[in-house]
Amino acid sequence: QITLRESGPTLVRPTQTLTLTCTFSGFSLSTSGVGVGWIRQPPGKALEWLALIFWDDDKRYSPSLKSRLTITKDTSRNQVVLTMTNVDPVDTATYYCAHKAGDYYFDYWGRGILVTVSP
Amino acid sequence: SYELTQPPSVSVSPGQTASISCSGDKLGDKDACWYHQRPGQSPVLVIYQNTKRPSGIPERFSGSKSGKTATLTISGTQTMDEADYYCQAWDSTTVVFGGGTKLTVL
Repeated sequence: QITLRESGPTLVRPTQTLTLTCTFSGFSLSTSGVGVGWIRQPPGKALEWLALIFWDDDKRYSPSLKSRLTITKDTSRNQVVLTMTNVDPVDTATYYCAHKAGDYYFDYWGRGILVTVSP
Repeated sequence: SYELTQPPSVSVSPGQTASISCSGDKLGDKDACWYHQRPGQSPVLVIYQNTKRPSGIPERFSGSKSGKTATLTISGTQTMDEADYYCQAWDSTTVVFGGGTKLTVL
């Protein structure tokens, strides 16, 4: 059974760096074809893909946010970490991590964490 | 940048068929998938690789693709299907979501 859970701060001040952790179980991020992605959703708005890390440590980022994002993995701890620098109130959103199957779709999602950016 | 276009809203009567479209220039040679998301819940994959249905997803959900347009069809729509629906695809470097469609069953 695959599960994912997001953790991190729920309130961040503008200009700070946001660090979110995805802790997962039921799969290994060292298995060929597997990946973990981060997706966010501002309140009342659409899903927005942020970043994706693959089993071989290859990484992909949203072009519009690439300069502010870093995604890393700790295979031994079954964790993926996303950092976002210089946050702004427009970054207020629910942040999800999700398991990427062989093709580029996300078949398991975490419950999400609502992060508010406010002074 | 790569974009996927969905209608903002679709309405359907219970028991009828709902169709939601997703169009994008690169869909011609890329697979599409679909998620539904009920209020306050995480997205759930309902269709992948254009036409395949994950285990546990009812048979009334089906997908198709023709040219640059993918379509999610819900046959015999139920009130529990009222949700936001998102298409998603990818190119060699990025994952893209459509803007979402609110399905209203009334």
